[in-house]
This record gives sequence, C-alpha cells and structure tokens, in this order.
Amino acid sequence: AQSVTQPDIHITVSEGASLELRCNYSYGATPYLFWYVQSPGQGLQLLLKYFSGDTLVQGIKGFEAEFKRSQSSFNLRKPSVHWSDAAEYFCAVGASTGANNLFFGTGTRLTVIP
Amino acid sequence: KAGVTQTPRYLIKTRGQQVTLSCSPISGHRSVSWYQQTPGQGLQFLFEYFSETQRNKGNFPGRFSGRQFSNSRSEMNVSTLELGDSALYLCASRTSGGHYEQYFGPGTRLTVT
Repeated sequence: AQSVTQPDIHITVSEGASLELRCNYSYGATPYLFWYVQSPGQGLQLLLKYFSGDTLVQGIKGFEAEFKRSQSSFNLRKPSVHWSDAAEYFCAVGASTGANNLFFGTGTRLTVIP
Repeated sequence: KAGVTQTPRYLIKTRGQQVTLSCSPISGHRSVSWYQQTPGQGLQFLFEYFSETQRNKGNFPGRFSGRQFSNSRSEMNVSTLELGDSALYLCASRTSGGHYEQYFGPGTRLTVT
C-alpha cells in the first residue's frame, strides 16, 4: 500500500527566503505524486503533479518539485516565498495502476514572517 | 469551467441524526471521490464513484455511504452520527482516463454535537 511522510509539521520562513518542504513516499511501482495547498477553511488546490518523464516539475505560484526515485522523495521548493504562501501543504501519492484514490501526508504548515 | 461545488458549506447536527452532503463535479468529470479531513487522522479516502457505480472504498464503517447520479453529481450520507464524525468532508472530481489529477471542492464542515 502507498504511504506518504511529511517530516516537518510546521516551518517558519521569512518573506523572500527560499523554501523546501520535504515529502517521502512508499510505493512499489512508479507513483503518481502531487502537492496540494490548503488555506484555512478552504479545500485543496493542486500545485503540481508528477506522472513520468522529467523529474523536475513546475507548478503554479512559482513552485517546483523534484522527483528522486533513489530517495523516494518529492520535495517542494520555491526560491522566494511571499506572505500569501502561508498555508498548509500536503503531499499525496496515487497508484499508477488499480485504485485511483490518493494517500496524503499529514501536512506541513507554513508560516511566513514579514 | 466552474470548479467543484459542495453544499452545504457548514452543518451542525446532533448525535444519532443522519446527514446528506452534496457534490457537483467539474463539467465533464465522471469520477467523484470523497475524503474526510480531521486534525487527528488527517485526510482519509472514503469512496470513489464513477458512472454511478462505487469503484473503490476506504476503511470506514457502513454508516458512511454514497451515490452518484447520471449527471455525475454525488451525495454522501452519514447515518447515526457520532461526535467523531465531526470533520471537513471534501469532494474531488477528475477525468476518467489515463493520467489524472483530482480537483477538490471547498468542503463541507460538519459539526456533531
């Protein structure tokens, strides 16, 4: 079965600083990987996805993520954080075959200091 | 295209009651999935419907059920509500084939008192 680990529960960064949110997954085959963002009281917005091909994927709002098979990781990065990026970020893995449901990590809450 | 819509956005129910939540997917999306989000358990998959058939189900008791209509709109029902059912219920829709991504609605916040 798939699983996702987000080791950082809460991260605080200064506005303008770079950001990296960690995500490790467990899945026997090539996974489908996603990053979602959730603002308070809102649903989940898809930031980016990885299915295959280029291991560096670009998303919305200036985010990117790199798939590293050898490390079973899919870390999210942003070179310069804006105050509006403060939110909760979820990494998710989906199976490339069979059932289509997503397995989510526990989330990382991002606080941005002015 | 309009996004996924969920109604109602907020609900307060009493233990023992039942509740029905509604989800309208993005136009053209035939798959609808439901997730429960709680502070303790995080995001957990409830079930997925495709073409009016339940295709996949998570590890939840039978009190949780759902259905999908011919226009792809979906409802989920929770019977005999318990305090632990208080959660944000999220609906997601996606296209039917090949590679996919799920698009989420704003959720329904259910409070059980």
